[in-house]
Amino acid sequence: QQQVKQSPQSLIVQKGGISIINCAYENTAFDYFPWYQQFPGKGPALLIAIRPDVSEKKEGRFTISFNKSAKQFSLHIMDSQPGDSATYFCAAGPYYNTDKLIFGTGTRLQVFP
Amino acid sequence: EPEVTQTPSHQVTQMGQEVILRCVPISNHLYFYWYRQILGQKVEFLVSFYNNEISEKSEIFDDQFSVERPDGSNFTLKIRSTKLEDSAMYFCASSEVGSNYGYTFGSGTRLTVV
Repeated sequence: QQQVKQSPQSLIVQKGGISIINCAYENTAFDYFPWYQQFPGKGPALLIAIRPDVSEKKEGRFTISFNKSAKQFSLHIMDSQPGDSATYFCAAGPYYNTDKLIFGTGTRLQVFP
Repeated sequence: EPEVTQTPSHQVTQMGQEVILRCVPISNHLYFYWYRQILGQKVEFLVSFYNNEISEKSEIFDDQFSVERPDGSNFTLKIRSTKLEDSAMYFCASSEVGSNYGYTFGSGTRLTVV
């Protein structure tokens, strides 16, 4: 009940294209779903997060889509840029306490010019 | 912008030696965490710490591991007798009381056990 499954493992997209990364969770008690962006040699940095009271959240070129009944959420990067090349981790956990976040296995995104 | 600071950035140690990884969490955060990431793999939870005691620990966090908040600013992870499989990036994180929002990671310490 504690796994977060993430796909694909790697993704190659041309500049200007749409990058889509998918995650599925098991624990229905989770109500906080962040995405982290990690550049080589750096720690994960919070990119965008969603709570289950909405089905979509958009911040600039980054959008999270959330399907509560399917226990799935996805990250869409519109107009992907070479600077977006990084590893992306989805995570899930409870919002109103600080129990651990469970991380997905990561997606290595490469955006080519 | 407030940061979580980790030192050293890279440590090489011989198998069987003790290592201490250091972290300075964000000053107004009260929950602290250690995670590790074996090269190319997912970020795995090790331990959470609040009010000077461990809140939760994973199966990875066995008797070889310990955490401490020796003063008002530092948060340390000690590995008593390192094994080859302890080689990983170790990330410290901190968060505000009562919420996972604002969970901030440091840049990590790359531990290499030889």
